[in-house]
Amino acid sequence: EAGVAQSPRYKIIEKRQSVAFWCNPISGHATLYWYQQILGQGPKLLIQFQNNGVVDDSQLPKDRFSAERLKGVDSTLKIQPAKLEDSAVYLCASSLGGRGSTDTQYFGPGTRLTVL
Amino acid sequence: QQQVKQSPQSLIVQKGGIPIINCAYENTAFDYFPWYQQFPGKGPALLIAIRPDVSEKKEGRFTISFNKSAKQFSLHIMDSQPGDSATYFCAASKGGKLIFGQGTELSVKP
Repeated sequence: EAGVAQSPRYKIIEKRQSVAFWCNPISGHATLYWYQQILGQGPKLLIQFQNNGVVDDSQLPKDRFSAERLKGVDSTLKIQPAKLEDSAVYLCASSLGGRGSTDTQYFGPGTRLTVL
Repeated sequence: QQQVKQSPQSLIVQKGGIPIINCAYENTAFDYFPWYQQFPGKGPALLIAIRPDVSEKKEGRFTISFNKSAKQFSLHIMDSQPGDSATYFCAASKGGKLIFGQGTELSVKP
């Protein structure tokens, strides 16, 4: 079974530029998550989708971050404009959904973003 | 109240040793406590998890001890191996929303 796919794996941009990340979840997984992992910290949830609807985006900086999951499958996360503090690894995860707290999340390898 | 505090930040043990990583939480609404293992350049992967109505869970060389009254839980790795060298994250979940600890970088020396 293929895992969660993410691209690109690395991205270097200058501040105030825009950037987009792509995620393809495990086939059949209804729930998709985007996390931000700053160096030396644990992942922090940015947004959670159930199919193509947003379940939780309380920690998404909506003035500069946006995400969509059209057709309930793959998803894109965009940052516009980027700030220095956005330098981090952006992780995508997916789960079957519908199992509450015990729903195992499977993570992709992440996209490492460096903002200069 | 949503925080999960993890210690130590880093840990070095000899092969065969038993590293112990500790976590504490405040929110009693959390109802599931997973541990994730992350290797460099990879995403976190679920290692083992426990519900708060269980005091201990063992899977292979990995054991979670859970103290509900103290709101603390810990991961023990028995007979640690160099291949266990990774960063370990505890987490707490409510309704599928994971709150991660800060992580512990474990190094197992041959």
